[in-house]
Amino acid sequence: AQSVTQPDIHITVSEGASLELRCNYSYGATPYLFWYVQSPGQGLQLLLKYFSGDTLVQGIKGFEAEFKRSQSSFNLRKPSVHWSDAAEYFCAVGNAGGTSYGKLTFGQGTILTVHP
Amino acid sequence: DGGITQSPKYLFRKEGQNVTLSCEQNLNHDAMYWYRQDPGQGLRLIYYSQIVNDFQKGDIAEGYSVSREKKESFPLTVTSAQKNPTAFYLCASTPLAGVVDTQYFGPGTRLTVL
Repeated sequence: AQSVTQPDIHITVSEGASLELRCNYSYGATPYLFWYVQSPGQGLQLLLKYFSGDTLVQGIKGFEAEFKRSQSSFNLRKPSVHWSDAAEYFCAVGNAGGTSYGKLTFGQGTILTVHP
Repeated sequence: DGGITQSPKYLFRKEGQNVTLSCEQNLNHDAMYWYRQDPGQGLRLIYYSQIVNDFQKGDIAEGYSVSREKKESFPLTVTSAQKNPTAFYLCASTPLAGVVDTQYFGPGTRLTVL
């Protein structure tokens, strides 16, 4: 069964500092990978996704992620964090086979706090 | 504007009562999903539907029921059999059934059992 692990429950950074959120997945075939962001009490918004091709993916709000097959990772990065980036971030892997096609499996989430 | 609406935003239920959460989309999407979110546990899939009049159980379907009588609507009923229903519930949709694609989320409903 597919799974997603986000090792960091909570990360705190200073505004202007760089950011990396970790995501490790377990999936038998080529994974379909997503990063979503959620502000408190709101729904989820897609930041970026990887299906195939270039392993460095650009997303909205200045975020990027790199797919590394050898490490089963899809880490999210931003070179300079803004106070408005404070939110919870979710990594997800999509199931492209069997009777569960289309399903997404989400990680536990990483809460990002930004200090001024 | 196209999107997914969920109502109500907040819902309070007494123990032993069934409640129904609404999810409507005007995106003409085929597939719809219901998730439950608890702090520190991410999103867990309750039910999903690829086409009208068809739906499948997700990972935590016990104590929940759904219907899909119209393409744009996918209501979720939380029954009295659900032992711990207090949570944040999210509805999502994707354009096509049977493929992995971006899921678009509604704003959520927070259910509290009193």
